[in-house]
Amino acid sequence: DVVVTQTPLSLPVSFGDQVSISCRSSQSLANSYGNTYLSWYLHKPGQSPQLLIYGISNRFSGVPDRFSGSGSGTDFTLKISTIKPEDLGMYYCLQGTHQPLTFGAGTKLELK
Amino acid sequence: EVQLQQSGAELVKPGASVKLSCTASGFNIKDTYMHWVKQRPEQGLEWIGRIDPANGNTKYDPKFQGKATITADTSSNTAYLQLSSLTSEDTAVYYCASQAYDYDGFAYWGQGTLVTVSA
Repeated sequence: DVVVTQTPLSLPVSFGDQVSISCRSSQSLANSYGNTYLSWYLHKPGQSPQLLIYGISNRFSGVPDRFSGSGSGTDFTLKISTIKPEDLGMYYCLQGTHQPLTFGAGTKLELK
Repeated sequence: EVQLQQSGAELVKPGASVKLSCTASGFNIKDTYMHWVKQRPEQGLEWIGRIDPANGNTKYDPKFQGKATITADTSSNTAYLQLSSLTSEDTAVYYCASQAYDYDGFAYWGQGTLVTVSA
């Protein structure tokens, strides 16, 4: 299985901060057609996970532009600029290139 | 409005089976993949598997083979997850999620179904 290593596990923030979350995969997520399937989710307590970014860097409908994704191959980053209260929660990356699909362990974005 | 409505919480005895449902509205499940994701208490997300309702093809994480069976009924626009030989390790919230064919994100999620395995 492809192992996705997500760091950090915990990220204490203040509102207005800019932060980055990293996901590294144990093998390249680019498939033979040149497509890379890496998506990012925010999971708030008592709610369902919500899609933020798909295909490395594409924001899903309604996602604010303070969320951005980047990367290639095995290294991927979610950047959040100007953190707001509604951004607190668990962030997960998901690789969708290789079977079985695998999630990162999650990053808890919490107040300092 | 796009929505995935999951069946209610289940309390089941060890060794039993349970079948969870996920009914879509606002879109046709034949136009998507339908996935199932497990979250044990205080743990992260685990992918169980997915079905292509258009042809019934399924893929599973090998660690769930023999434990989970994913099916779909296109006439009722519903996907199902059956879990068998339940143990305490199966106590978790189970989410369904849809993925369009042309991009990789799980765009829509059900509200989750809590399965508690206890004698």
